[in-house]
Amino acid sequence: NAGVTQTPKFQVLKTGQSMTLQCAQDMNHNSMYWYRQDPGMGLRLIYYSASEGTTDKGEVPNGYNVSRLNKREFSLRLESAAPSQTSVYFCASSEALGGGGTDTQYFGPGTRLTVL
Amino acid sequence: SQKIEQNSEALNIQEGKTATLTCNYTNYSPAYLQWYRQDPGRGPVFLLLIRENEKEKRKERLKVTFDTTLKQSLFHITASQPADSATYLCVEGGGSYIPTFGRGTSLIVHP
Repeated sequence: NAGVTQTPKFQVLKTGQSMTLQCAQDMNHNSMYWYRQDPGMGLRLIYYSASEGTTDKGEVPNGYNVSRLNKREFSLRLESAAPSQTSVYFCASSEALGGGGTDTQYFGPGTRLTVL
Repeated sequence: SQKIEQNSEALNIQEGKTATLTCNYTNYSPAYLQWYRQDPGRGPVFLLLIRENEKEKRKERLKVTFDTTLKQSLFHITASQPADSATYLCVEGGGSYIPTFGRGTSLIVHP
């Protein structure tokens, strides 16, 4: 079991460039999440997908788009990168968001993105 | 909306002592609270979950309490070791649809 995997591990972009961060989980989880983590700000939710076929905005969605490709994969796209998007990005998954269960999340190793 | 507050100042303690970290929530009482550990350069790892109707939960050297009157959860590590040094995150769940994380408290255990 690999758990949650993310690619790439590191990325440097120039302002205005686009890129897609990939995330996959092999735990048969229904829900997946994208967070960004900045010094002193904690984890902030960008987008989440409660189940395959659905996506919803989190706390800081501006400048990002997501795709829930299938149950395993959830990608995050930056269409036109800005220096303010320099951050560490974490993908996570959980069995099922809401529905009376617990949302224990399993995190990937993170992608360190720098936008120049 | 719900806010989760954790002490932003690092907690420094001596090896062997008990570390106590605090998590306060501001609005409605969440159905449960979870605690995660995060090491530098890594993703958070789940440690413990405590439900609203539970006063205390234990796992090896870890203990979590949930006080709905004080709107607070305490996270204790007994007989602390330098390897326990990390950032500990509190997160609420079951109330709002989206789990809300606190900013975390850094624990430094000195040998």
